[in-house]
Amino acid sequence: GAGVSQSPSNKVTEKGKDVELRCDPISGHTALYWYRQSLGQGLEFLIYFQGNSAPDKSGLPSDRFSAERTGGSVSTLTIQRTQQEDSAVYLCASSPRGLAGTDTQYFGPGTRLTVL
Amino acid sequence: KQEVTQIPAALSVPEGENLVLNCSFTDSAIYNLQWFRQDPGKGLTSLLLIQSSQREQTSGRLNASLDKSSGRSTLYIAASQPGDSATYLCAVNGETSGSRLTFGEGTQLTVNP
Repeated sequence: GAGVSQSPSNKVTEKGKDVELRCDPISGHTALYWYRQSLGQGLEFLIYFQGNSAPDKSGLPSDRFSAERTGGSVSTLTIQRTQQEDSAVYLCASSPRGLAGTDTQYFGPGTRLTVL
Repeated sequence: KQEVTQIPAALSVPEGENLVLNCSFTDSAIYNLQWFRQDPGKGLTSLLLIQSSQREQTSGRLNASLDKSSGRSTLYIAASQPGDSATYLCAVNGETSGSRLTFGEGTQLTVNP
């Protein structure tokens, strides 16, 4: 079936604007993850959803970042008042059950965010 | 805090050569370790997942080993091809980190025809 999809693929915004990034996980996957990949920082975990709940949001870098998931499916990552240091590739992944240690995570192609 | 290191950061080899990529992690309390491939401008593709109780996994020309007690893993690529050119990332799922993965910074591999 279809893999994880993300939109938009590229987003250029001005400093101070809000942005929304969307993730469509693999159908039936209960777990969804957001990661960020930036130069010099590698790939960092942001938040994890199990169904519509986020039991681990410890990776969100500031209160400007928030995420939600509805219907156990689509997730939106929102960044308010964007800063230049928010420029990165934002990757979404999903896994069948989200059980620690057993699931393979399947990644989407990412959204490249550039804050001018 | 778990830290994952990959050596070398970049590697360039001629086609046909066998090669080894290295990954080390500081906390040996892990559930599993995964190797991913990332092509430019693309997401991550899972190559191999090794559970903590396993020593190695094989898929085609790829073989990954895990020495959990010493905090090391290697990815062996046999008979490399230009199509293998990509960035290879290793990631661990730690016992104290729930379902999150902790990634290394990757090895950028170039296989020259």
